[in-house]
This record gives sequence, C-alpha cells and structure tokens, in this order.
Amino acid sequence: GAGVSQSPRYKVTKRGQDVALRCDPISGHVSLYWYRQALGQGPEFLTYFNYEAQQDKSGLPNDRFSAERPEGSISTLTIQRTEQRDSAMYRCASSFSPYRGSNYGYTFGSGTRLTVV
Amino acid sequence: GQQVMQIPQYQHVQEGEDFTTYCNSSTTLSNIQWYKQRPGGHPVFLIQLVKSGEVKKQKRLTFQFGEAKKNSSLHITATQTTDVGTYFCAGRTSGSRLTFGEGTQLTVNP
Repeated sequence: GAGVSQSPRYKVTKRGQDVALRCDPISGHVSLYWYRQALGQGPEFLTYFNYEAQQDKSGLPNDRFSAERPEGSISTLTIQRTEQRDSAMYRCASSFSPYRGSNYGYTFGSGTRLTVV
Repeated sequence: GQQVMQIPQYQHVQEGEDFTTYCNSSTTLSNIQWYKQRPGGHPVFLIQLVKSGEVKKQKRLTFQFGEAKKNSSLHITATQTTDVGTYFCAGRTSGSRLTFGEGTQLTVNP
C-alpha cells in the first residue's frame, strides 16, 4: 500500500483481556519494527523483524507481549492479560533495507491507541 | 543500555527566530536519524547522518553529526509556523535497533 497501515486506530479493552494489534507495512519493505510511545515521550523500541524472522525482541516488556510476522508482510503484536500500564500508543514502522548502513529511514504508521480500563 | 538524550525538552520561539536542538548518546553511534512529529501525527523521517563530522542541509534545516559520532544537532534558520512539532533524534549502534531520544517540542509564535 501507499503507507504503513495499522488497525485498529483505537482500542479500549478491559484489564485482563487479550488484544491483537495489526500492522500492514509498505509493500516490499523488508524490515518491520514495533515501538510504543507514551504521551510526550519518544518511541520506545519493542521488537523488529527482517522478512519473517524476529531479529530482536529484547524491548518487549515481559512475556505477556509477543509479535509475529509469519509471511514476512503483515505483523501482529499481541498483549495477553492486559494491564492498565500497557495503555499507550503502539506504533509500527517499516523500512526497505535491513542493513544498518543503508540510507532508509523508517516509515511509521498512524498507530493504535490502546486504553486498558 | 544505549541512551539518547535531547535538549531542550521544549522551545518556544517567535516566527523568524532560529532554533537548535541537541542530541547526545552515551555510546558511539554508527549513524543517527532525525524525525519530525506534528501534533497528533506520527514521526516522519527527515534525514540520516553516517560520517563523522557530517553536515547536511535541507532548505532551512542544517543537521550535524559530531566528530566522535556521539552527538548531533538540528538547526532551523528563520522558523516558520509550519516548523511546529516535536523533533526526535534516533541513534543506532550495532544491529538495526534505533533508539529514540525524548524529543524537543517546538512552538512558533506568529
């Protein structure tokens, strides 16, 4: 598609419920990243994929968080047994090349605003 | 772990004044990127700097990467109301993880 698409845009869920956040990256982009952004702060790294392989998941806060990208395109970030502290904007980004020397920046989606009540 | 710090946190300027934000890393970076996030929007990629001492310009914006590759700056000449937003630096060491700073929120009074 023309940009990175995330769904849903807004999600309100009750504490203890599981949620799945979806990211559809730009077609042909090799790398996909998940970040979490609190209000007034910079994006905080969660995890990233090259193609379908998860390269780094060290930013996931705990084992309630998981992510997958089974066919190297669409990715899902799942949060199990949600807690109020999980409330934040979850952003997905993609880039064309996985190589750190490349000159490709990240293209971010509009994000999913998650509110846990 | 790697930390990227930005100052100032907030900057208010009159239209036409210059603006500078500074970024410092606790570790040597392989490259640094700059992003702009408009109010209510998402971060948008501006530029990447790779070489020690590199300077790049985009119209009224000047980006610098320090000689030691641990600091960077963004300077805007003669700000306009369209420059309003939060400017983030993001540094990369090894691998592909990009660590973002906390951002500098710029407001421009017309």
